[in-house]
Amino acid sequence: AQTVTQSQPEMSVQEAETVTLSCTYDTSESDYYLFWYKQPPSRQMILVIRQEAYKQQNATENRFSVNFQKAAKSFSLKISDSQLGDAAMYFCASLDSGTYKYIFGTGTRLKVLA
Amino acid sequence: DGGITQSPKYLFRKEGQNVTLSCEQNLNHDAMYWYRQDPGQGLRLIYYSQIVNDFQKGDIAEGYSVSREKKESFPLTVTSAQKNPTAFYLCASSFYRDSNQPQHFGDGTRLSIL
Repeated sequence: AQTVTQSQPEMSVQEAETVTLSCTYDTSESDYYLFWYKQPPSRQMILVIRQEAYKQQNATENRFSVNFQKAAKSFSLKISDSQLGDAAMYFCASLDSGTYKYIFGTGTRLKVLA
Repeated sequence: DGGITQSPKYLFRKEGQNVTLSCEQNLNHDAMYWYRQDPGQGLRLIYYSQIVNDFQKGDIAEGYSVSREKKESFPLTVTSAQKNPTAFYLCASSFYRDSNQPQHFGDGTRLSIL
């Protein structure tokens, strides 16, 4: 079965600085997709960025980028120029293309310090 | 605008009572999902449905039931057999067999015991 592991329950970053959130996964699939979701205090789940495993180029969305290391099964999220509005829970997720179930990590709570 | 609507936003259950959480989507998505989120924790899959009139148990299905009579609707019933129902419930949907598409989420229902 696929698993997704986020080993950092909580992280802090100073406003305008850069922070990296870690995620590792385990899958036997050759083709799969990875996602980062943000859950602010409102509890809405917001897609931040996604990565297709067959693409070697790391995905980027404005201040958010990933470091995708396929061999190491690592999918970290880098947030540049952190803003107060980035404070949230961040969940890493993978899609099991066999069952079409999404597998979520346990989340990392990000605090942004003014 | 297309989206997922969950209702009610807050729900209270009495001892021995069944309650039903509503989830409706107008995104023309094939697959729909129910997750449970406990305070400070990740998402756990309760049930999911990939096509109308078919659904599968997730990781924590005991004490819950679902139906999928229409593509747009996937209601979740929390039965009296669920002894610890207090949690935040999220409904999500996606295109089936289109791995490039992420899940879209509703705004959630918070269920508490009276």
